[in-house]
Amino acid sequence: AQSVTQPDIHITVSEGASLELRCNYSYGATPYLFWYVQSPGQGLQLLLKYFSGDTLVQGIKGFEAEFKRSQSSFNLRKPSVHWSDAAEYFCAANGGATNKLIFGTGTLLAVQP
Amino acid sequence: NAGVTQTPKFRVLKTGQSMTLLCAQDMNHEYMYWYRQDPGMGLRLIHYSVGEGTTAKGEVPDGYNVSRLKKQNFLLGLESAAPSQTSVYFCASSYKGGPHEQYFGPGTRLTVT
Repeated sequence: AQSVTQPDIHITVSEGASLELRCNYSYGATPYLFWYVQSPGQGLQLLLKYFSGDTLVQGIKGFEAEFKRSQSSFNLRKPSVHWSDAAEYFCAANGGATNKLIFGTGTLLAVQP
Repeated sequence: NAGVTQTPKFRVLKTGQSMTLLCAQDMNHEYMYWYRQDPGMGLRLIHYSVGEGTTAKGEVPDGYNVSRLKKQNFLLGLESAAPSQTSVYFCASSYKGGPHEQYFGPGTRLTVT
């Protein structure tokens, strides 16, 4: 079955430290891949997306993600975290033919001063 | 340009009551979606629509009905609410399916007692 896995439920980093959030997918073929961010009490906002081509994708707010086909991964990174990055992050995939976006269970990021 | 709006923002129902959640988008998108978000489970697709007058089941459709009479509106109905339907409901829309970004509304928090 198609699935998206985010193995880290909760991560705490210090402000200014680097960040990597993990995402693995299980699909028959490479899906379209997305990272969304959700601030408390808000809807979801798209950070970045991967369809094809360059495996390093740049997004908003200084985030980037790298697609690795061999590892079925699409990890999100940021070189220096700001306190305002504290939020929940969701990885999602769409197999294309189904129009259905499958979400991971989310990673809650806390930022220490 | 308001994007995706949802009405109401909060609602408390008693078991067995009915209600309708309204989603509206002003981006002339073809596709619209209803998700529910529960702690530790990410977002799960309830129903979706690929155009005016069409609807289709998602991952967790039981207990819900939908209608897309106008392109800009997507209604989610609960005919007989159950405590298991306590959740945060998000509506989303996209230009098309597949690689196209989904834009999310702010959510409706529903409690069924």
